[in-house]
Parts: sequence; structure tokens; C-alpha cells
Amino acid sequence: DTEVTQTPKHLVMGMTNKKSLKCEQHMGHRAMYWYKQKAKKPPELMFVYSYEKLSINESVPSRFSPECPNSSLLNLHLHALQPEDSALYLCASSYQGSPQETQYFGPGTRLLVL
Amino acid sequence: GQSLEQPSEVTAVEGAIVQINCTYQTSGFYGLSWYQQHDGGAPTFLSYNALDGLEETGRFSSFLSRSDSYGYLLLQELQMKDSASYFCAVTLTGTASKLTFGTGTRLQVTL
Repeated sequence: DTEVTQTPKHLVMGMTNKKSLKCEQHMGHRAMYWYKQKAKKPPELMFVYSYEKLSINESVPSRFSPECPNSSLLNLHLHALQPEDSALYLCASSYQGSPQETQYFGPGTRLLVL
Repeated sequence: GQSLEQPSEVTAVEGAIVQINCTYQTSGFYGLSWYQQHDGGAPTFLSYNALDGLEETGRFSSFLSRSDSYGYLLLQELQMKDSASYFCAVTLTGTASKLTFGTGTRLQVTL
């Protein structure tokens, strides 16, 4: 099983809402990632978890709050977002988080902030 | 800063060969990866060059020349399903597992 799943597929939220994005993998990977991708642009790294500990935070605003409850799950909690946060949010995983590893991406959650 | 530049769009005919270039300005990296992303889909790993030279995986080949700060993805026997966006990507030295993507190339395969 080389699949990373993400829910929901689509999400529309207001600027005062609180919502969460979920990501799951059952490949035994110990590194998980959140990326943000705007239309016609490359993915941009937001957070990296390695062995369930936050190892990289790319200066992401605090209205985005990641959580890694266990080695298979990764959440992204959203609160008080802005319209410019509308984007495709991609989750990925890799074996241990070493530089040469392949990252496996989920299909993403398409977020629209009104 | 670090940058990986790609042509924004490439068009090619079904059955043809196409080369997508990636030129970079970066101080050091572990290797060059290539990802494919169909519209509305997930980026999918295609190829990785840790060392200079050519790597071949079926219809896809990838090349890296560190001395020329240049790499490319070669797609042979193009099929309609190859229409997608293609990204080169590197993990910069000292950044653990942070993957930095190139600007992306949209490939359109026509009949």
C-alpha cells in the first residue's frame, strides 16, 4: 500500500470558522509533511514531522496548527484563515525523513476561504 | 537565494520525445528529483539523480550535471496521458528533508 489519503477533498470555510484537514498513511513511514500549493505554482513546504515530532516549521502563520497524533496520522488545524489561504493543501510521507527519500503525496484538500 | 527554473509550458506530439529542462542556482543539494502532477491530482515521484549522469526508468529518463547546474527530464514515446505538470525538486544540504520545487512545466501532448 503506497497510498496517502486526505480528507476532506474539498472544504469551504469562512474566516471565523475552525476546521481540520486530515492525512493518513499506512506505509510505516515516520516522516510526514504539509505543503501548500497555489494554482499553477509548485508546492511549498509548511511543516515536517519526524517520528511524531515537529522538525520543520517554515515560518507558517499561527492560524495553521499542525498535529501528529501518531505515526500514521497528520492533522492541520485551521482557524481564522484569510482568503489568500485558499489553496490546495497536500500531505506527504517518506520513510524516515532523510534527504534522498522519495516523498509520497496524497491527493490534497482544496480549500476555499470566503 | 535558491532557485530552480523550468520552462513554463511545452507542447509536443503523441509519440514524440520531449525534454524538460531544470536550471538551478543553489549552493548544495543531495540530488535532483522529478515529480509529475496531473490537474487536480497528487504529485507523483518519477525519477531521482543522486549523481551526475543519466537515470532511465522505462519511457522516462533524467539527467544531472552539477558542473553545469542543469538537469533534465526526457520523456519518450509520448502518450496523451503524459499531459501534466512536471516539477524538478531538490533537498538542499543542511535542510534535512525539506523538498524545494522548481517553477514547474506544463506539458501538453497533442495528436
